[in-house]
Amino acid sequence: AQSVAQPEDQVNVAEGNPLTVKCTYSVSGNPYLFWYVQYPNRGLQFLLKYITGDNLVKGSYGFEAEFNKSQTSFHLKKPSALVSDSALYFCAVRDRDNQGGKLIFGQGTELSVKP
Amino acid sequence: DGGITQSPKYLFRKEGQNVTLSCEQNLNHDAMYWYRQDPGQGLRLIYYSQIVNDFQKGDIAEGYSVSREKKESFPLTVTSAQKNPTAFYLCASSIWQGHDNNQPQHFGDGTRLSIL
Repeated sequence: AQSVAQPEDQVNVAEGNPLTVKCTYSVSGNPYLFWYVQYPNRGLQFLLKYITGDNLVKGSYGFEAEFNKSQTSFHLKKPSALVSDSALYFCAVRDRDNQGGKLIFGQGTELSVKP
Repeated sequence: DGGITQSPKYLFRKEGQNVTLSCEQNLNHDAMYWYRQDPGQGLRLIYYSQIVNDFQKGDIAEGYSVSREKKESFPLTVTSAQKNPTAFYLCASSIWQGHDNNQPQHFGDGTRLSIL
């Protein structure tokens, strides 16, 4: 079965420190991987995606993610966290063989950045 | 500006009542999706549509219905058969590239449905 796991419900970081939000996945074939961010009472905003090629993907707002095929992981990172980065983050995967473009989402990780 | 508009932002349902959530997009996207979001559970797919006049059930379609009469519109009806409808409902759309689709989905700002 296809699945996505975000092992941490909450991540706490001090402003200016690096942050990592973890994601692991399980799909039968080669995946497309996505990160989204959600602010309170809002929809999800697309941050970045991995399709193929370079394992380090750069996205919006200074975020980047590292694809690791052997560990089936796609961790979200940022070198220096901002208070405004505090939000709910979702990892999602799409199986390339899956018709309909259906995304499978993790349960989300709440990021809290303190001044 | 192009985007996805969901209405209303808040909706209350009485017992035995059907309610319809609106989703309109002006992004010229072929594919549209409805998700349900509950705390700590991520997003679960209710229905999706790749083309006008066609749609498929997602993972939790029971108690819901949809229509796709126009490319721009994909309304969701929460029927009285859905016994636990209280949730945040998100509509999304994307370019459809067929089976090898790597396009991200774009989301509306959601409708919060509660039981009276």
